[in-house]
Amino acid sequence: DTAVSQTPKYLVTQMGNDKSIKCEQNLGHDTMYWYKQDSKKFLKIMFSYNNKELIINETVPNRFSPKSPDKAHLNLHINSLELGDSAVYFCASGFTGLEKLFFGSGTQLSVL
Amino acid sequence: GENVEQHPSTLSVQEGDSAVIKCTYSDSASNYFPWYKQELGKRPQLIIDIRSNVGEKKDQRIAVTLNKTAKHFSLHITETQPEDSAVYFCAASITSGTYKYIFGTGTRLKVLA
Repeated sequence: DTAVSQTPKYLVTQMGNDKSIKCEQNLGHDTMYWYKQDSKKFLKIMFSYNNKELIINETVPNRFSPKSPDKAHLNLHINSLELGDSAVYFCASGFTGLEKLFFGSGTQLSVL
Repeated sequence: GENVEQHPSTLSVQEGDSAVIKCTYSDSASNYFPWYKQELGKRPQLIIDIRSNVGEKKDQRIAVTLNKTAKHFSLHITETQPEDSAVYFCAASITSGTYKYIFGTGTRLKVLA
């Protein structure tokens, strides 16, 4: 059983489209995150949810909208995709207070 | 602003040699410092962490040291092996506003056989 699973693993789409990435964790964690890793491998936090409530929202364009239906799921919807959105997006989870983070396997998004 | 600097960005060592990666953080209230290893095409995974009340921690061939006064911490890998080749990220907890941590920019370690 994968602890943090995200789908899809690869996403290739045209500019202007809308797409979603899903994440689920079965570790009982109360906090989930989205990170963006660009081509230079920089890992940058985008959002954090604690018990379904948004607690961190970095300076991310409002085309990105996270949604947490329950504390085991955190999805990311992206509207009007742009070339610069191409990256690997990692979901992660942990317990409040930021101990060890468990990462999903990543979604490689390519915007053409 | 909040920042974690990491050096070097790339590091090549011969198998069996040691590797050292250094990080500097800016938030003096940071109290948790994890290190993650990311193999090619894989997810980042925690390999070791240290808290601010400890100066050094060791786990087999890897060790981390922390100097709170200077606000820097380092990862030491001894007797390197080809499977140690990966990108390594340091991170530091940030406590201003909401608790989170900031990652360093990564070090690509290559162990030459």
